[in-house]
Amino acid sequence: AQSVTQLGSHVSVSEGALVLLRCNYSSSVPPYLFWYVQYPNQGLQLLLKYTTGATLVKGINGFEAEFKKSETSFHLTKPSAHMSDAAEYFCAVTPRRTSYGKLTFGQGTILTVHP
Amino acid sequence: NAGVTQTPKFRILKIGQSMTLQCAQDMNHNYMYWYRQDPGMGLKLIYYSVGAGITDKGEVPNGYNVSRSTTEDFPLRLELAAPSQTSVYFCASRLDAGYTFGSGTRLTVV
Repeated sequence: AQSVTQLGSHVSVSEGALVLLRCNYSSSVPPYLFWYVQYPNQGLQLLLKYTTGATLVKGINGFEAEFKKSETSFHLTKPSAHMSDAAEYFCAVTPRRTSYGKLTFGQGTILTVHP
Repeated sequence: NAGVTQTPKFRILKIGQSMTLQCAQDMNHNYMYWYRQDPGMGLKLIYYSVGAGITDKGEVPNGYNVSRSTTEDFPLRLELAAPSQTSVYFCASRLDAGYTFGSGTRLTVV
């Protein structure tokens, strides 16, 4: 069974600093990979996803993530944090075949941005 | 262009009551899912459906039931509400690798 681990349930950065949110997955075959953001009392918004092709994926709001097969990782980065980036971030995976698209989510990382 | 619509947005239930969380999508997606979100736990899959008339259990199905009589609708039924079902519930639909989530239903069981 696949699993997703997000290292660090809380990450705190200063405004303008690098944002790095870590995600590692466990799967026998590289899955489809996703990052979602959730603002307080709102639903999930897709930041970016990796399905095939270039392993560096660019998303919305200046975020990007790199798929590293050898490390089974899909870490999310942003060069310069904004106050508006404060939210909870979820990494999710689904196998490429035969799982009926069931997403498995990490436990989430709450990002705090200090002025 | 409504996407996935969930109703109600908020609900308070008493222990032992029943209710149905509604989910409707207008994108003609065959795949639909129900997740629950608890603090620090991420989202857990309750039930999913691959098309009208076909449903299956996810990771945490106990205490819930679903039906899928049409492509558009995928209601989630709680028969005997328990405090452990206090959570935020999200419905989603999928086409290929594209998922659309509803805005959620916040349920409190007291």
